Amino acid sequence: AQTVTQSQPEMSVQEAETVTLSCTYDTSESDYYLFWYKQPPSRQMILVIRQEAYKQQNATENRFSVNFQKAAKSFSLKISDSQLGDAAMYFCAYRGPQGGSEKLVFGKGTKLTVNP
Amino acid sequence: SAVISQKPSRDICQRGTSLTIQCQVDSQVTMMFWYRQQPGQSLTLIATANQGSEATYESGFVIDKFPISRPNLTFSTLTVSNMSPEDSSIYLCSVGTGKGTIYFGEGSWLTVV
Repeated sequence: AQTVTQSQPEMSVQEAETVTLSCTYDTSESDYYLFWYKQPPSRQMILVIRQEAYKQQNATENRFSVNFQKAAKSFSLKISDSQLGDAAMYFCAYRGPQGGSEKLVFGKGTKLTVNP
Repeated sequence: SAVISQKPSRDICQRGTSLTIQCQVDSQVTMMFWYRQQPGQSLTLIATANQGSEATYESGFVIDKFPISRPNLTFSTLTVSNMSPEDSSIYLCSVGTGKGTIYFGEGSWLTVV
């Protein structure tokens, strides 16, 4: 079974600085998707960024980028120029290949605090 | 993308009662998913709701406790039956677009007293 591990229960960053959240996963599949979701106090799950495993290029969305290391099964999220609104729980998630089930396996989450 | 509406957004329920959560999507989707997030925890999949067939439940979740309906390709309900304080959680509906990305509703925050 697939597993997702987030080893940092909590992280903090100064406003305008850069922070990296770690995620590792385990799967026997060669094709899959990885996601980072943000969950603010409102509890809405907001998609931050996604990565297709077959793509070697790391995904980027404005201030958010990932470092995807397929061989190492690592998928870290970098937040640049951190803002107060970035404070939230961040969940790393895995789903299997296209055409298969769209269910997600989540890590335990990392609570990010942004200090002014 | 997909826009997903969940009702209720929040409720306080009496022990022993049941509550039905609704999930409405703005487009037709093949599979809908129901997750539970207990306080301070991550999300755990309850079941996959397929249109025209019975839901598929994950280990640890049973139909008698969490009956699910999926009458059409844009709507699903999850009922939490005979609630106890341990059922106090956020329940989230999610869908896939068939293009890889998974979207979530706003969640339904249930407190059982």
